[in-house]
Amino acid sequence: DAKTTQPNSMESNEEEPVHLPCNHSTISGTDYIHWYRQLPSQGPEYVIHGLTSNVNNRMASLAIAEDRKSSTLILHRATLRDAAVYYCILIRLGDMRFGAGTRLTVKP
Amino acid sequence: DAMVIQNPRYQVTQFGKPVTLSCSQTLNHNVMYWYQQKSSQAPKLLFHYYDKDFNNEADTPDNFQSRRPNTSFCFLDIRSPGLGDAAMYLCATSSTSGVSVTQYFGPGTRLTVL
Repeated sequence: DAKTTQPNSMESNEEEPVHLPCNHSTISGTDYIHWYRQLPSQGPEYVIHGLTSNVNNRMASLAIAEDRKSSTLILHRATLRDAAVYYCILIRLGDMRFGAGTRLTVKP
Repeated sequence: DAMVIQNPRYQVTQFGKPVTLSCSQTLNHNVMYWYQQKSSQAPKLLFHYYDKDFNNEADTPDNFQSRRPNTSFCFLDIRSPGLGDAAMYLCATSSTSGVSVTQYFGPGTRLTVL
């Protein structure tokens, strides 16, 4: 299985940008990079995904390194509701394997 | 709103007493997944159905079984729950299986084993 490495935890101040890094040095050419987040007492929810190019949606931006061995999820203005565990996942052959994720704390 | 529903949200069972968790979806998705999430851990895939085709993960214990009687419903049966099976059980769906497909998760059922 392709493996991802994320910091265990990060802190941010409210209304500031947050950059959540993910390393995936063993990524293969057909692996998609997905990000999900899990708010307290809820199931995971989809945030964003990409293959090679940077991606933007209403929730976040995904910046993918040129060699695809790392990526960064960008929350442009963190709110208290963004406090969650963020999972960076490589999807190969349709199977999703969660890593440990990054617990994001947002301070008011 | 189209969604993934799990009932009950909290389930208490006794050691060794069979228990069934249910999941339903209004998304009309072909694929349904069951994950186990223990405290402070990431979700772990147990198995999934692509339509009626059942796909078991290699390390899923035989104690865990699943049924999908129709597109909308999927059940997780734990035949003889042990204390180590206490966890959050998450159901998810996707329209197809593939590398760019999004999964939609339910809120989970928290299982307590006494």
